[in-house]
Amino acid sequence: GENVEQHPSTLSVQEGDSAVIKCTYSDSASNYFPWYKQELGKRPQLIIDIRSNVGEKKDQRIAVTLNKTAKHFSLHITETQPEDSAVYFCAAGLFGNEKLTFGTGTRLTIIP
Amino acid sequence: SAVISQKPSRDICQRGTSLTIQCQVDSQVTMMFWYRQQPGQSLTLIATANQGSEATYESGFVIDKFPISRPNLTFSTLTVSNLSPEDSSIYLCSVDSTWGEQFFGPGTRLTVL
Repeated sequence: GENVEQHPSTLSVQEGDSAVIKCTYSDSASNYFPWYKQELGKRPQLIIDIRSNVGEKKDQRIAVTLNKTAKHFSLHITETQPEDSAVYFCAAGLFGNEKLTFGTGTRLTIIP
Repeated sequence: SAVISQKPSRDICQRGTSLTIQCQVDSQVTMMFWYRQQPGQSLTLIATANQGSEATYESGFVIDKFPISRPNLTFSTLTVSNLSPEDSSIYLCSVDSTWGEQFFGPGTRLTVL
């Protein structure tokens, strides 16, 4: 089955700087890669996703890049703000199948 | 996105008992999923619940321990049976959207004493 690795497990970034979280996946058949943000005590919220037919997708301060050949994808957050502090999870799966395998999570802390 | 609710939001149970968690969606969805999130950990898929058929369980999860019902396209239940302290976790349901994205319910925090 699919295996998703995520790094780093913790990340501290000065407010205003950029944060990058990286994930690798094992199943070359996976074609859907969502990212979730989970604040303390809250449900995971989908913040951005990418399908394998594109290499990059951007939504305001958040962007995701995908390298299918290397089987890795990354989340980029620019101009970080205190409200970006949360745990971020990457996931991989087959679009339309909706069965997702999650990474282990990255605890992002924005230092004011 | 769909509005998803879960009941109860939290519960404290004695070992050996069972807890049934309800998941309600405000629109019809094809697939509903149940996840477990152990303290400080990632999300692990327990099973996929399809209306009109038996749930499909992931490796390491069995129907006797986690029976699931899916009586219609807006509702599902997960029962965690014969509880032990190791079952203390957050249990989340999720649903697929029209566009293939997956959204989560608020979760049920279970503590087993």
